[in-house]
Amino acid sequence: ETGVTQTPRHLVMGMTNKKSLKCEQHLGHNAMYWYKQSAKKPLELMFVYSLEERVENNSVPSRFSPECPNSSHLFLHLHTLQPEDSALYLCASSQEAGGGETQYFGPGTRLLVL
Amino acid sequence: GQQLNQSPQSMFIQEGEDVSMNCTSSSIFNTWLWYKQDPGEGPVLLIALYKAGELTSNGRLTAQFGITRKDSFLNISASIPSDVGIYFCAGSTGNNRKLIWGLGTSLAVNP
Repeated sequence: ETGVTQTPRHLVMGMTNKKSLKCEQHLGHNAMYWYKQSAKKPLELMFVYSLEERVENNSVPSRFSPECPNSSHLFLHLHTLQPEDSALYLCASSQEAGGGETQYFGPGTRLLVL
Repeated sequence: GQQLNQSPQSMFIQEGEDVSMNCTSSSIFNTWLWYKQDPGEGPVLLIALYKAGELTSNGRLTAQFGITRKDSFLNISASIPSDVGIYFCAGSTGNNRKLIWGLGTSLAVNP
């Protein structure tokens, strides 16, 4: 297993459901990120973790709850989402959490909220 | 907030043609990154630039870090069908942990 992996690749959920997205990086990096990608918008940074500590929370609604148990794993817990939350959720990692660091992305989870 | 202007928004070209796209910023950047995203996949890094004036190649791809540090260019020579996808520029001022992203250039190649 190499690079950054994400599961599931596709997810359909109702507004009352609770689900979790999982990301794992096999690159030995210290920083991990969650992004939201919607059509016609730039990638939106949601959260940044450095050595399992959240260092950035980009004004994300509380219905999105990240968890980083170790430097290789990152979760995004979802509950009571809205239809406008439907998007591609991308996980990325980098050696350190600097803005100039090259980020490596997973394939994303395509989320549809009904 | 900071924005990147990426152009063109989309391109339709014939196989074998050269392609050029660019990004401009209202701020000075100290890092420029170019990514490609295939349908259903995450962005994949193509070229990273760290110095004003830097010109870097990756196969048929060449990218340059503008002298003003407010722009960057990506060129693809002799395009092939697998070049199809969305190309994103991203940059960093170095002042925080964020990358600023362009909206992407969608490339279609007609065989």
